[in-house]
Amino acid sequence: QKEVEQDPGPLSVPEGAIVSLNCTYSNSAFQYFMWYRQYSRKGPELLMYTYSSGNKEDGRFTAQVDKSSKYISLFIRDSQPSDSATYLCAMSAYNTNAGKSTFGDGTTLTVKP
Amino acid sequence: DGGITQSPKYLFRKEGQNVTLSCEQNLNHDAMYWYRQDPGQGLRLIYYSQIVNDFQKGDIAEGYSVSREKKESFPLTVTSAQKNPTAFYLCASSIGRRTSTDTQYFGPGTRLTVL
Repeated sequence: QKEVEQDPGPLSVPEGAIVSLNCTYSNSAFQYFMWYRQYSRKGPELLMYTYSSGNKEDGRFTAQVDKSSKYISLFIRDSQPSDSATYLCAMSAYNTNAGKSTFGDGTTLTVKP
Repeated sequence: DGGITQSPKYLFRKEGQNVTLSCEQNLNHDAMYWYRQDPGQGLRLIYYSQIVNDFQKGDIAEGYSVSREKKESFPLTVTSAQKNPTAFYLCASSIGRRTSTDTQYFGPGTRLTVL
């Protein structure tokens, strides 16, 4: 079983919809949770990161962490065609080998105009 | 502009050849990483380096080699021993030094195809 499992998708939604992207994990030592966005044939770019349980909002994006359930989510409000990309969750444990993160397999999102 | 560059963008290799992928960063980051990404799959760690002249194997190091002679540079060699090298290769860097929020920043990637 993988340490990080990500909803596989693909996901197709109409413009303006609310999108929910989800990952579960098994390693209780994970404390830092990141979401990356990857456009086709490009490198991933860091979208958001959160520490431990709770919510973090940045514009139309909200990252949510529930450590008791070992579950993280990324919500996109008022989705736009420019949000069409693959979204990767990643997580790491505090004070382990610096920056050594474990990635999910990604969810591909298409937002249709 | 600060960032990570990878070259070339596309690379073609014949069977039995070694090829080297370049990765350079001017972010003054200590840690650097190489990942492989196959279609529909996430990132798999090949090698990582936390400091100059030191590096560790990741999850899929067989058939690959690296060097870290300079802080800014972390080239990856795909050797003929790598049986299925066709993939998208991504280099990343992070501040390192065991900082608490050590997020990684990625380069644009190199797409390697074996002919």
